[in-house]
Amino acid sequence: QVQLVESGGGVVQPGGSLRLSCAASGFTFSRFAMHWVRQAPGKGLEWVAVIQNDEVERYNIDFVKGRFTISRDNSKDMLYLQMNSLRVEDTALYYCAKDVSNFGAFDFWGQGTLVTVSS
Amino acid sequence: EIVLTQSPGTLSLSPGERATLSCWASQSVNNNFLAWYQQKPGQAPRLLFYGAFRRATGIPDRFSGSGSGTDFTLTISRLEPEDFAVYYCQQYGSSPLFTFGPGTRVDFK
Repeated sequence: QVQLVESGGGVVQPGGSLRLSCAASGFTFSRFAMHWVRQAPGKGLEWVAVIQNDEVERYNIDFVKGRFTISRDNSKDMLYLQMNSLRVEDTALYYCAKDVSNFGAFDFWGQGTLVTVSS
Repeated sequence: EIVLTQSPGTLSLSPGERATLSCWASQSVNNNFLAWYQQKPGQAPRLLFYGAFRRATGIPDRFSGSGSGTDFTLTISRLEPEDFAVYYCQQYGSSPLFTFGPGTRVDFK
């Protein structure tokens, strides 16, 4: 069965960096786009970034442009999110999610990894 | 930029009742690329529908999705205890590529 397991979250000071990872299994990872979605405590869902299956196209939402970079390693079935210049408002549970194809809905989600940005 | 609005914010109902949740888009959603998700406390979201009305694998048929253009609806014909949760709509394919609505909470009355 499909499994997505995030790791790499933690507590970091404003301006710091973290690298999130998502280990995928149970499906042909290289065939599907992958996403990062975040959820601040007690708030709704917010899409962060997507990377196409062959890594050619990747996009992220404006408020993380220049700070967050999504990447993947299809040889290892791994998805990553490099987060630099972190802000207090980046505090959230970060989910990785599998796309139904390329740039479609999100049919499987991990359980999330918590990022806390605080001084 | 497409903005999604969901109504009501909270829906207070009893098991066995019908739930009707609305999602409005500020612009027409391309190809009706509209999805619905259910999220229970402490859990990741679960895909219910994509393409406005295409039921995801394993979703009971008491759930139905409908609508097109800017107006979409998620209906739960008879609420089961496990259906009390927060429901989000999402559009995919228009700039910004993926946006979620603010959610509707379905609570016990």
